[in-house]
Amino acid sequence: AQSVTQPDIHITVSEGASLELRCNYSYGATPYLFWYVQSPGQGLQLLLKYFSGDTLVQGIKGFEAEFKRSQSSFNLRKPSVHWSDAAEYFCAVPTQGGSEKLVFGKGTKLTVNP
Amino acid sequence: GAVVSQHPSRVICKSGTSVKIECRSLDFQATTMFWYRQFPKQSLMLMATSNEGSKATYEQGVEKDKFLINHASLTLSTLTVTSAHPEDSSFYICSATGGFQETQYFGPGTRLLVL
Repeated sequence: AQSVTQPDIHITVSEGASLELRCNYSYGATPYLFWYVQSPGQGLQLLLKYFSGDTLVQGIKGFEAEFKRSQSSFNLRKPSVHWSDAAEYFCAVPTQGGSEKLVFGKGTKLTVNP
Repeated sequence: GAVVSQHPSRVICKSGTSVKIECRSLDFQATTMFWYRQFPKQSLMLMATSNEGSKATYEQGVEKDKFLINHASLTLSTLTVTSAHPEDSSFYICSATGGFQETQYFGPGTRLLVL
């Protein structure tokens, strides 16, 4: 079965600092990969997705992610974090090829210090 | 981007009653909708997959008679928690997609508290 691992449960950064959130996946073929963000008490918002092509994907709110097949990773990055970026971040991958169902990582909570 | 709404945003009910949660895709036709449950500080757990005009497919361990799902149109799916108990208290989130390889768009969630 496909799986997603987000090794960091909680990350704290200072406002203006750079950010990298890790995501590793287990998947039989080239996966579709997603990053979602969830603010407290809210649903999930899509930040970016990778289906194919360029391995560096640009998303909303200044986020980007790079697909690295050799490392089975899809890490999320932002060069300069804003206080409003404080939220929970989830990486996701389809449960199997051809499936619309997603399996989510456990999430990484981001705290931003002023 | 596509918009998915949920109603109500929060509901409090007495134990033994039933609660209905609506999930609507506002600006696109959703061939598939998903229902998730999220416990505090945890990830999303898929409960069921709902396709318009057909019976929902439930994940292992989810009681289909307790969590009734109806997907009557391409823009509306409902989740009814029947005979709710305090352990059903949770955050329920729906998502909708327009088809294979399409992005899932999530609703804002419904906070259910069963007293």
